[in-house]
Amino acid sequence: LAKTTQPISMDSYEGQEVNITCSHNNIATNDYITWYQQFPSQGPRFIIQGYKTKVTNEVASLFIPADRKSSTLSLPRVSLSDTAVYYCLVGDMKPGGYQKVTFGTGTKLQVIP
Amino acid sequence: SAVISQKPSRDICQRGTSLTIQCQVDSQVTMMFWYRQQPGQSLTLIATANQGSEATYESGFVIDKFPISRPNLTFSTLTVSNMSPEDSSIYLCSAPTGRGTEAFFGQGTRLTVV
Repeated sequence: LAKTTQPISMDSYEGQEVNITCSHNNIATNDYITWYQQFPSQGPRFIIQGYKTKVTNEVASLFIPADRKSSTLSLPRVSLSDTAVYYCLVGDMKPGGYQKVTFGTGTKLQVIP
Repeated sequence: SAVISQKPSRDICQRGTSLTIQCQVDSQVTMMFWYRQQPGQSLTLIATANQGSEATYESGFVIDKFPISRPNLTFSTLTVSNMSPEDSSIYLCSAPTGRGTEAFFGQGTRLTVV
C-alpha cells in the first residue's frame, strides 16, 4: 500500500482558500486517491476521490498532477466548521469495490475567526 | 449512501474483562473493516471481516485478542478481550459504499479501561 505524507497541521483564517498537499511517491497504477474529513468524536467522512487531473464536487476540489505522486485538496473559503483533521489515502480499486486502505497521520486544520 | 451504526457509543470497563462492539450496516456489503484510533492519533486497521470466512488480521493484531464475527452481510462484531488500560481507544467499523474505494464509517465506540 502506498504511503502518504502530509503536513501535521495548518492554520487558516475564515474565508480563505486552503490547499492541503499530500505526497504519495509509491502510488501504483490501480490506486485511487481519496480524502476524508474527521471531526472530534466522529468517524471519518468521505470528501472527494480522484485518479488523475482534477475532480470537483460541492465541497472541495482535488488536483492530481500527471505523475500522480502528489495530490492537493482545495477547500474554498473555509469556515470555522471546517476545522477538522483531513486524511489523504491511496488505495487499490479492486473488482467489487473497496479495498482496505492505510490512514496516514492526517492534517489538522484549524480555521481562525 | 450507507448508514453504519455502532453500539455501544462508549463504555468504561474493568481490566481483564471483554467488550463486544456491534456494527450494523443498512445495506449488504461484502467486506467490513475494524479500525482503532488512539487519542490524538490516526486510524489503524485491525482486521477485515468477510462474510462466510475468517477475518484477516493486520500485523500486530491477533484473533485471540480481537475476535471478530460476521454472521451476515449487514452485521459484524469486534470483541476486545482481556482488556488492559492500553486498549483504551476509539474503535470504528467501516464498510464500502459500493461506488469504489469510498467508505462509510460508524461514529465509533470510545472504550476506557480502568
